Amino acid sequence: EDQVTQSPEALRLQEGESSSLNCSYTVSGLRGLFWYRQDPGKGPEFLFTLYSAGEEKEKERLKATLTKKESFLHITAPKPEDSATYLCAVQGDTGRRALTFGSGTRLQVQP
Amino acid sequence: EAQVTQNPRYLITVTGKKLTVTCSQNMNHEYMSWYRQDPGLGLRQIYYSMNVEVTDKGDVPEGYKVSRKEKRNFPLILESPSPNQTSLYFCASSDPLGGYTFGSGTRLTVV
Repeated sequence: EDQVTQSPEALRLQEGESSSLNCSYTVSGLRGLFWYRQDPGKGPEFLFTLYSAGEEKEKERLKATLTKKESFLHITAPKPEDSATYLCAVQGDTGRRALTFGSGTRLQVQP
Repeated sequence: EAQVTQNPRYLITVTGKKLTVTCSQNMNHEYMSWYRQDPGLGLRQIYYSMNVEVTDKGDVPEGYKVSRKEKRNFPLILESPSPNQTSLYFCASSDPLGGYTFGSGTRLTVV
């Protein structure tokens, strides 16, 4: 059974204070690891897909990295508008292309 | 604009009264899926569809039905809703690389 554990559950940062979110996973045949951003009452918004260990992707202040057991979402010099819940999900080789999600990290960036 | 559209956004209903939540996508994706999101349990897959007329159960299918008569539409049907189906529901579609695009969500309350 695929499993995803995210830490911390919640994180409060000052504007400009860089940090990292962790996503540990176990999966049968990784097809992809996904990062999403979710604002309250809205649908998850796609950020990154990582396919193999060693891969990195960047978008503005966010950088996602992947190893064989975990992924990190690094946030550099965050701004208040980065406040959201960040979700990590894996897709295994079950054939039904389901995403298994973690419970998310609630990030609050204070001005 | 590429998007997944769900309706309604909010719905309050009574136990046992059949309801349908509609979902439509404009990206010509073959794959569509329904998820529910509950506090502490994260996002869980209800049903999915690989293509027109092909649907199958996800992790939590009990009490739900779906149909896929056209590529763009994938309605979720609750024939006899119960209070434990109170949740936030998301429809999603996916391209062959696995990335999901989610709708804005339907908040359902069953009293």
